Amino acid sequence: KQEVTQIPAALSVPEGENLVLNCSFTDSAIYNLQWFRQDPGKGLTSLLLIQSSQREQTSGRLNASLDKSSGRSTLYIAASQPGDSATYLCAVRPEDSNYQLIWGAGTKLIIKP
Amino acid sequence: ETGVTQTPRHLVMGMTNKKSLKCEQHLGHNAMYWYKQSAKKPLELMFVYSLEERVENNSVPSRFSPECPNSSHLFLHLHTLQPEDSALYLCASSQSSVNTEAFFGQGTRLTVV
Repeated sequence: KQEVTQIPAALSVPEGENLVLNCSFTDSAIYNLQWFRQDPGKGLTSLLLIQSSQREQTSGRLNASLDKSSGRSTLYIAASQPGDSATYLCAVRPEDSNYQLIWGAGTKLIIKP
Repeated sequence: ETGVTQTPRHLVMGMTNKKSLKCEQHLGHNAMYWYKQSAKKPLELMFVYSLEERVENNSVPSRFSPECPNSSHLFLHLHTLQPEDSALYLCASSQSSVNTEAFFGQGTRLTVV
């Protein structure tokens, strides 16, 4: 059974720092992995989608990597800003389902001004 | 208007009430999803519709009844709910393909009293 783990559960850093959020999954048979951002009480905003054949994706200050064989993905945030404060979720789409996304519990990120 | 829109944003209902949540997507997608997000739990997939047909129903109690009249609209009809059903209900859409990105609405915060 696929399980997704995000470490740490919470992270607080000063503004301007570069940081890395981690996501690991137990079964490498995935189609893709997606990173989302969720502000308190709000919906999810898609940040990056990495297909299983890709190693990384970049969008602005965000860079997501995928090492499928080791079951790991990282989300790198450069030059963090207070507006980056949110909960970051990763989800994998397993190969044995067309529609399921298996979710991590998220990392709550606080960027201190 | 673009994206995925959910109404209402907040709902308080008694256990004997009947209410409906609405989701509308303007992205031209052909798959729509209902998720439940409870405090400190990973997202739970409730229902999936692809091309207006229900393709997944993850052991959801019958007090939740989905309806998908067309590819742009999705409803979740609620009746005789329990207090433990209080949660954030999220709607999402995607193309009906394993390698596509999922987009989410802002959610409906439901409180059952």
